[in-house]
Amino acid sequence: EIVMTQSPATLSVSPGGRATLSCRASQSVSSSLAWYQQKPGQAPRLLIFGASTRATGIPARFSGSGSGTEFTLTISSLQSEDFAVYYCHQYNNWPPGAWTFGQGTKVEIK
Amino acid sequence: QLQLQESGPGLVKPSETLSLTCTVSGGSISSSGYYWAWIRQPPGKGLEWIGSIFYSGSTYYNPSLKSRVIISVATSKRQFSLRLSSVTAADTATYYCARWAEGGTTMGFDYWGKGTLVTVSS
Repeated sequence: EIVMTQSPATLSVSPGGRATLSCRASQSVSSSLAWYQQKPGQAPRLLIFGASTRATGIPARFSGSGSGTEFTLTISSLQSEDFAVYYCHQYNNWPPGAWTFGQGTKVEIK
Repeated sequence: QLQLQESGPGLVKPSETLSLTCTVSGGSISSSGYYWAWIRQPPGKGLEWIGSIFYSGSTYYNPSLKSRVIISVATSKRQFSLRLSSVTAADTATYYCARWAEGGTTMGFDYWGKGTLVTVSS
């Protein structure tokens, strides 16, 4: 099983500030990496796929980078609606098999 | 607009079988390029992919749950279902159904149900 490790567990950022979230895979997943945002009581929302491609309707302040084992989600100029938990997800195996998520990073208001 | 809705019992006894159904509306369940999935989230914890199914019936399961999971599809009803046997308290979670878009303009779980909390308790 590929283990996805996210850091930090919690990130405190001021509104308008920049958030940098990390996700590390225990082995290479190429660019088969997605990011999801989850707000309390809601289902996750797809933000980024292919490590760096924004999903439909996602604002340009969200950007993803990385490949192999190291990935980053950057949120520039945090808005109030961006405070949430963010998960990375690797889908390197196809057909689907042993897909795994990171444990999440909570972005909170500083 | 595609919508997914989970349904099923909110309480299951230990050792019994958890059964949930996801109803898809606003779109076809039989389109190529899409897979249908179950994902769960224990209270206060992260996400776990349970398994996926293609409309043809091909299934793919998380190896850690494979021995207890069956996912099936009923295309005429626009539904797919989850059965998880021999449940324990560790299976208590919010269960989500979701659509996996494969290729084209999107790759990922792009539509989700609202989730349903299933508690395993006697």
